[in-house]
Order: sequence, then C-alpha cells, then structure tokens
Amino acid sequence: AQTVTQSQPEMSVQEAETVTLSCTYDTSESDYYLFWYKQPPSRQMILVIRQEAYKQQNATENRFSVNFQKAAKSFSLKISDSQLGDAAMYFCAYRSPNTGNQFYFGTGTSLTVIP
Amino acid sequence: KAGVTQTPRYLIKTRGQQVTLSCSPISGHRSVSWYQQTPGQGLQFLFEYFSETQRNKGNFPGRFSGRQFSNSRSEMNVSTLELGDSALYLCASSQQSGPVSGQFFGPGTRLTVL
Repeated sequence: AQTVTQSQPEMSVQEAETVTLSCTYDTSESDYYLFWYKQPPSRQMILVIRQEAYKQQNATENRFSVNFQKAAKSFSLKISDSQLGDAAMYFCAYRSPNTGNQFYFGTGTSLTVIP
Repeated sequence: KAGVTQTPRYLIKTRGQQVTLSCSPISGHRSVSWYQQTPGQGLQFLFEYFSETQRNKGNFPGRFSGRQFSNSRSEMNVSTLELGDSALYLCASSQQSGPVSGQFFGPGTRLTVL
C-alpha cells in the first residue's frame, strides 16, 4: 500500500512569517494526485491545495504553495504571511487511479500560529 | 450550496450494540467516502460509494458496512461495537470517483463506545 509520511508532528510559526510543512510519499505509480487538507479545531477538513503528478509547475492558492519534487517523492506545503486562522492540523494525502482512487493520508502536522 | 452533513454529531453506545451513521453529500456529488479518525491510527479509509455501488473498501472487518441510496445519501453501519471503534467518523463527497477530485468533508460523527 502507498504510504504518506509527515515527519513533523508539530510546528509553530510567528504571525506574518512563512512556514513549510513536509510530506514524503512512497509509490511506484506514475499517475497520481497529491493534496493538502487542513483540519481546524472545529474538526471539519478543508481542501487547501492539490497537485497533479504530471504537472511540473507547483500549485499555488493565494498564500499557500507547494514544492513538488517528483523524483524525491516530496510534497511540501509553504504557508506565507501566516495568520491566526491558519492554526490547524494539516494532512498530506495521496490518491491514484491504480489504487482504487482511495485517499492515503499522512499522520498530520499540528500547526500553531504565535501572535 | 450546503456542505456535507453528518448525523448524529455525537453518539454514545455500549459494547455489543450496533450503530448507523448518516451522511448527506453536497448536492450533485455522487461519490461518498467514509473514514475513521483516531489519535493513534490517524485517518483510515473505510469505503467509497459511487452511484449506489461500493467502489473501494479499506482494510476493516466485516462489522463495518455501508450503503448508498439513489439520492447519494449514504449510511454506515457498525455491528457488535468494540471499545476500539471509538473514533471520529468522517464522510467526504466528491462529484466523481476519479482521482483528481478533491473531497469535501463533513463535520464528522464522534462515536464513543463504553
């Protein structure tokens, strides 16, 4: 089965600063998709950003961007100009048509934003 | 559009009982997936339904089952509850079953088994 690893259980960042959350994955597939989800204390998961493996250009959504390194199987999330509302658990996820399209999630990184 | 809704939000059961959880996807979404979230195991995939058919199934015992109705609403049933079934159960919907679709999650049902 595919594995997704988030090696940072907890991270903290000063408000307005930039933070990068790490994610690596293990797969032998060439066609897959990667996602970052955010789960605030209210517990509702929210899709932050997605990346298609066939695209070399890194995805960007406002203050959120990814650094996708396909050869290294690395998919990090960069949050710029951090805001208090960014405090949440962040999950990296992998999905591939060759594995039934089910999502494989990492164990999450808890992000604290310091005022 | 209304988001994914799950009922009930909280549930307390005792060992041996059974429970049914409900999920209403976003209007127009035909794919519904279920996940179990626990502090120790993280998010684990239970199953996915698309157009009333189970498309994928995770590695859970047969006590966990589900179904999807013609209006895309889905139910998940757990029989003979065990203490280890205590978890947050999340439902997620997407327009299609393909890999590019991100999933939209509901608020979850917190199940406590005593």
